[in-house]
Amino acid sequence: AQKITQTQPGMFVQEKEAVTLDCTYDTSDPSYGLFWYKQPSSGEMIFLIYQGSYDQQNATEGRYSLNFQKARKSANLVISASQLGDSAMYFCAMREGGGADGLTFGKGTHLIIQP
Amino acid sequence: DAGVIQSPRHEVTEMGQEVTLRCKPISGHDYLFWYRQTMMRGLELLIYFNNNVPIDDSGMPEDRFSAKMPNASFSTLKIQPSEPRDSAVYFCASSEQVPKTNSSYNEQFFGPGTRLTVL
Repeated sequence: AQKITQTQPGMFVQEKEAVTLDCTYDTSDPSYGLFWYKQPSSGEMIFLIYQGSYDQQNATEGRYSLNFQKARKSANLVISASQLGDSAMYFCAMREGGGADGLTFGKGTHLIIQP
Repeated sequence: DAGVIQSPRHEVTEMGQEVTLRCKPISGHDYLFWYRQTMMRGLELLIYFNNNVPIDDSGMPEDRFSAKMPNASFSTLKIQPSEPRDSAVYFCASSEQVPKTNSSYNEQFFGPGTRLTVL
């Protein structure tokens, strides 16, 4: 079974609209962390936002917020007021256990912002 | 800080040749990770080190792949002999040591990647 599932291979969104990128995860470890990365066409991996499994509040970073629904094992990324520069691949990732282990990535969502 | 540095940025080689990818982590970071990205398999963790010691190499695809970290500022990923199916982007990432807590946060900083093409 996949540990990270991103069900939207591609999305087209109008500029200035809000975007929700879906991510569900599977783990039996009570301690884990969830990450979102952006990969523009240039190829670099850009960290966006992090949510810990014990965090009480949803994470926010500027225009990015994470809709964390622990019981449903979902960690959707919300981008408010989308911009043309948001066009990129977006990856959800999980680290199981406390500490600094490696990440397990989803397949990604290709987001295209249209003017 | 210059960030994670990888070299070369692009490598084209012929099947059967030895390939060595290099990585310099961010100074002070205790963890170093090697990932591979392909269209078919996405991003996969190959191996990671803590304080220069390999912790988990279960993602290394086969014996043709080997990784070393001789010191805190340098790591190599070697493929010998290379095959066309090894063509991919190889990322190195590093992160700080953090105490194990319930919600320990440690961002992994990725390098720009090495695009490997094996003909």
